[in-house]
Amino acid sequence: DVVMTQSPLSLPVTLGQPASISCRSSQSLVYSDGNTYLYWFHQRPGQSPRRLINKVSNRDSGVPDRFSGNGSGTDFTLKISRVEAEDVGVYYCMQATHWPKTFGQGTKLEIK
Amino acid sequence: EVQLVDSGGGLVQPGGSLRLSCGASGFTFSNYWMSWVRQAPGKGLEWVANTNQDGSENYYVDSVKGRFTISRDSAKNSLFLHMNSLRAEDTAIYYCVRGGGAIWGQGTLVTVSS
Repeated sequence: DVVMTQSPLSLPVTLGQPASISCRSSQSLVYSDGNTYLYWFHQRPGQSPRRLINKVSNRDSGVPDRFSGNGSGTDFTLKISRVEAEDVGVYYCMQATHWPKTFGQGTKLEIK
Repeated sequence: EVQLVDSGGGLVQPGGSLRLSCGASGFTFSNYWMSWVRQAPGKGLEWVANTNQDGSENYYVDSVKGRFTISRDSAKNSLFLHMNSLRAEDTAIYYCVRGGGAIWGQGTLVTVSS
């Protein structure tokens, strides 16, 4: 199985400051069709996950533009330009290039 | 409104069975791959099973192969997860998920305990 490794696992951030989460895969996530199926999700306590980013860098509908994703191959990053209070929770990367789809361990973002 | 509603969870003894259901609305159910993803208490996410648009292709994570069966009924816009030989480690919230994760159900809790 493809192992997804996130860092850091805990991310204390001051309101209004930027934040960055790294996600590395144990294999290339480039699929035979040329696409890279790497996604980012956000889960608030007691809620279902919500997808933020699809295929590395495409923001899902309704996602604020302070969220951005980039990367290629095996190294990916989620960036928040200015953290707001509603951004607390756990962030997961997920790969869907290889079966089984696998998630990172999660990064818990909290406000300092 | 695009929506998935999960149901069927509960308390079951080890070795028992349970069937989870997911009702879809607000979109053309038969156009999408559907999946089940689970989350053990206080833990991360695990993709459990996938089925394609007509149910002819199904994939399972190794830990549930031979015990769980994913199925769908497009006439009823419903997705199912039949779970047999349940173990304590299957205890989790189970989410119904559309496609690559754009839409999630609210989850249903399965507790396997004697």
